Amino acid sequence: GAVVSQHPSRVICKSGTSVKIECRSLDFQATTMFWYRQFPKQSLMLMATSNEGSKATYEQGVEKDKFLINHASLTLSTLTVTSAHPEDSSFYICSATPNFYGYTFGSGTRLTVV
Amino acid sequence: QQQVKQSPQSLIVQKGGISIINCAYENTAFDYFPWYQQFPGKGPALLIAIRPDVSEKKEGRFTISFNKSAKQFSLHIMDSQPGDSATYFCAASTNTGNQFYFGTGTSLTVIP
Repeated sequence: GAVVSQHPSRVICKSGTSVKIECRSLDFQATTMFWYRQFPKQSLMLMATSNEGSKATYEQGVEKDKFLINHASLTLSTLTVTSAHPEDSSFYICSATPNFYGYTFGSGTRLTVV
Repeated sequence: QQQVKQSPQSLIVQKGGISIINCAYENTAFDYFPWYQQFPGKGPALLIAIRPDVSEKKEGRFTISFNKSAKQFSLHIMDSQPGDSATYFCAASTNTGNQFYFGTGTSLTVIP
C-alpha cells in the first residue's frame, strides 16, 4: 500500500531556531502533498498545499515566511518552521494522494519550541 | 465555513456496545467520503470509505451508512473494543481535485 514517511517524529528546538520536517512518498509519486497542523484534541488544519516544481499554496492566515515549503521532487516535500517560537509548538502532519481515491498521512511530527 | 460537520465531539461507550458518529455536508459535488482513525501522537489512518452510489459499506465491525438525500453519513462501530478508543474524523472530497475536507473529530472512549 501507499506509504508516506515523515521525519522526524519528535523535535525539540530552542526559540529562534529553524526546524525542517521531511515528508516522503515511499512507493508512489506525489505531485501534490499537503501540510496540516493539529492542536491537542482538535481537528486537522490545512496549512498549505505543496506542489512539485512550483510554489506552495498557503491557506489564509498561514505565514508564508514562517512556514517555508519546498517540493523539489515527486517524492519529497519539506516544511521548515523558521525562527520558531513557543506558539509554533504543535503536531504537524503531511499527506499525499497515491491515487484519486486515497489520502495517506504521514505519522506526524511533534514540534516543541522551548 | 465548516464544509463537513461532525458530531458528537466525544463519545463514551461500554465494551461490546455500538459507537455511532455522524457527519453532514452541504456540497453536493462531494463524491468520496472516508473515515480516518487517529491514535494519540500518530497521523490519521484510513479506516473505511464510501462513494455516494451505495448506501452502506461494511468492513468487519465498521460500517458506513450514507444518506445522499439528507447529505449525511455515519460510522457505526459494532462490538466496540477498548482498542477502538481513538479520535475519528470524517472527510469528504470532490472528483475535481484531491483536497479533502475534514470534520472536527470525535474522541471515542470504550470502557472495558
